[in-house]
Amino acid sequence: QSVLTQPPSVSAAPGQKVTISCSGSSSNMRSNYVSWYQQVPGAAPRLLIYDDDKRPSGIPDRFSGSKSGTSATLAITGLQTGDEADYYCGTWDASLSVGVFGGGTKLTVL
Amino acid sequence: EVQLVESGGASLQSGRSLRISCEVSGFTFDKFAMHWVRQAPGKGLEWVSGISWKNTLGYADSVKGRFTISRDNAKNSLFLQMNSLRPEDTGLYYCAKDRYPIVSVPDAWGQGTLVTVSS
Repeated sequence: QSVLTQPPSVSAAPGQKVTISCSGSSSNMRSNYVSWYQQVPGAAPRLLIYDDDKRPSGIPDRFSGSKSGTSATLAITGLQTGDEADYYCGTWDASLSVGVFGGGTKLTVL
Repeated sequence: EVQLVESGGASLQSGRSLRISCEVSGFTFDKFAMHWVRQAPGKGLEWVSGISWKNTLGYADSVKGRFTISRDNAKNSLFLQMNSLRPEDTGLYYCAKDRYPIVSVPDAWGQGTLVTVSS
């Protein structure tokens, strides 16, 4: 059971928008920044979003992050078949003094 | 370019010990915290351990007392000593760089090294 809760799967058609939620608690999500990662099958995770809503260089602006209270959201617009992957949220839990991840969300582009 | 290259993964029996390593390049190693994150076959990401630039350590409850993280700044290397290994420790172990000096969450990731523990 993951500390952060994500939906197991989401799907949408090419060109559409999809959002992936990540729910935590006051000891992790509310008090620390959230990051989002993309993991294509057979590859290592890649950072998409850090500090709740910032994109590393090289990440297209189709990917955006937001956070409110104990919940965060990753939004992907203009979906492409190449976006099919597992997506994870992650943060630090100050109460447990451990890093925590969501269980992952599998994105299918129909 | 940031690069992290893990090594030392192996197949071994329950109860044995193993040390895995990560050699990094492309950034000032001693200025950043580092992590080990593992992924069991077909499962999600699990944070294992982190070490700050000042050697403050953190461990997941599942490995506390069995695993030890360390770093050698002179060699730009991160290590994970794993003792009393269990079948549930099986997985791909990723070395990851933090964005900050204190332990928060991973930034860049290596390709992983596979540890398989049989009963």
